[in-house]
Amino acid sequence: EIVLTQSPGTLSLSPGERATLSCRASQSVSSFLAWYQQKSGQAPRLLIYDAVSRATGIPARFSGSGSGTDFTLTISSLEPEDFAVYFCQQRNNWPQAFGQGTRVEIK
Amino acid sequence: QVQLVQSGAEVKKPGASVKVSCKASGYTFTAYYIHWVRQAPGQGLEWMGWINPNSGGTNYAQKFQGRVSMTSDTSISTAYMELSRLRSDDTAVYYCARFDVPVNWLDPWGQGTLVTVSS
Repeated sequence: EIVLTQSPGTLSLSPGERATLSCRASQSVSSFLAWYQQKSGQAPRLLIYDAVSRATGIPARFSGSGSGTDFTLTISSLEPEDFAVYFCQQRNNWPQAFGQGTRVEIK
Repeated sequence: QVQLVQSGAEVKKPGASVKVSCKASGYTFTAYYIHWVRQAPGQGLEWMGWINPNSGGTNYAQKFQGRVSMTSDTSISTAYMELSRLRSDDTAVYYCARFDVPVNWLDPWGQGTLVTVSS
């Protein structure tokens, strides 16, 4: 069973700053990795799929990179609405799995 | 627009069962799998399984096998997730989500259903 480890647990940044979130898989998931954003009290929303592709309607400030075991979600310049929890998910191996999440909070 | 609307919050006693519904609209219900994911309070996301509404075929995470049943009623475009022999650590928000094609990821998600298990 693949384990996804996200780091850091919490990222404290100011609006306008760059955010870099990491997701590491315990074994290769090829490019079958997605990122979701979850705001407080809301359902998750798909941001990035297949490691690098933005979902429909997602702003260009969100970008994904990586393959194999190491992945990164980058938010180039944080907007107030970007402060949330971000999860990665893999579907290369059964069962699908999520990381434990990274909280991006206002500094 | 594509939308998944779930049933309301539930409070159950240990040992009981709960059945959560997920009504789809805005697309052809039988053309997309529905997945179920849960989130315990303050915790991460846990994948539970999926159902193919077209065939009724299912695939469950090993952790839930024997306790979970996912079904669908195509006449009303609704999927269901029933969890039996509830324990206190089953307290969580349960989400349904469409497995979107050709993106092949979970999008969109339902609003979530809080299930509280307490004596």
